[in-house]
Amino acid sequence: SAVISQKPSRDICQRGTSLTIQCQVDSQVTMMFWYRQQPGQSLTLIATANQGSEATYESGFVIDKFPISRPNLTFSTLTVSNMSPEDSSIYLCSVLLGRGEQYFGPGTRLTVT
Amino acid sequence: EDQVTQSPEALRLQEGESSSLNCSYTVSGLRGLFWYRQDPGKGPEFLFTLYSAGEEKEKERLKATLTKKESFLHITAPKPEDSATYLCAVTSYNTDKLIFGTGTRLQVFP
Repeated sequence: SAVISQKPSRDICQRGTSLTIQCQVDSQVTMMFWYRQQPGQSLTLIATANQGSEATYESGFVIDKFPISRPNLTFSTLTVSNMSPEDSSIYLCSVLLGRGEQYFGPGTRLTVT
Repeated sequence: EDQVTQSPEALRLQEGESSSLNCSYTVSGLRGLFWYRQDPGKGPEFLFTLYSAGEEKEKERLKATLTKKESFLHITAPKPEDSATYLCAVTSYNTDKLIFGTGTRLQVFP
């Protein structure tokens, strides 16, 4: 398994501003993922972040809105830009370990007012 | 198209009342089926991975089984602390992406 931390754990932001979420893992991993979970919903994949290459975004998510950095094998950031109330969600990072298993961080609860 | 369906959507059990949660899947080339537990406001906690039909995994009061079409999460003599949302997800050999079901919200009452 892996120990994954996220910062901040929660935040309340005003519309039009941006928030950067950090994800730190205790071991080196090639693939990291970012998800969004809206209230009462299941997880939706935003993008896949591999170290050394640009993130790959899922349909409906664009780099200008959700820029991602992956500077090394233990760290990634997701920025939620120009926020609106519809961006209020829990944002989760995960890491891919052996045999396809993904382990998740504790999440960042974002409220946009 | 790869798809995961979980049922029931919600389940209320009395403490000690055993039951099962279902996860039906359609995927081209199943690589793995995963069960997670998620408490409100927290990230999913990994429970089990199943890779081939007939495989079973156990952990405390939970037992996961897998067939070619579906997986069951059996809960034996549940306790209130087992209350959570249980998520099922699959990956195929085409991708490392997880395809999630919508989850089963379990409530266990004393």
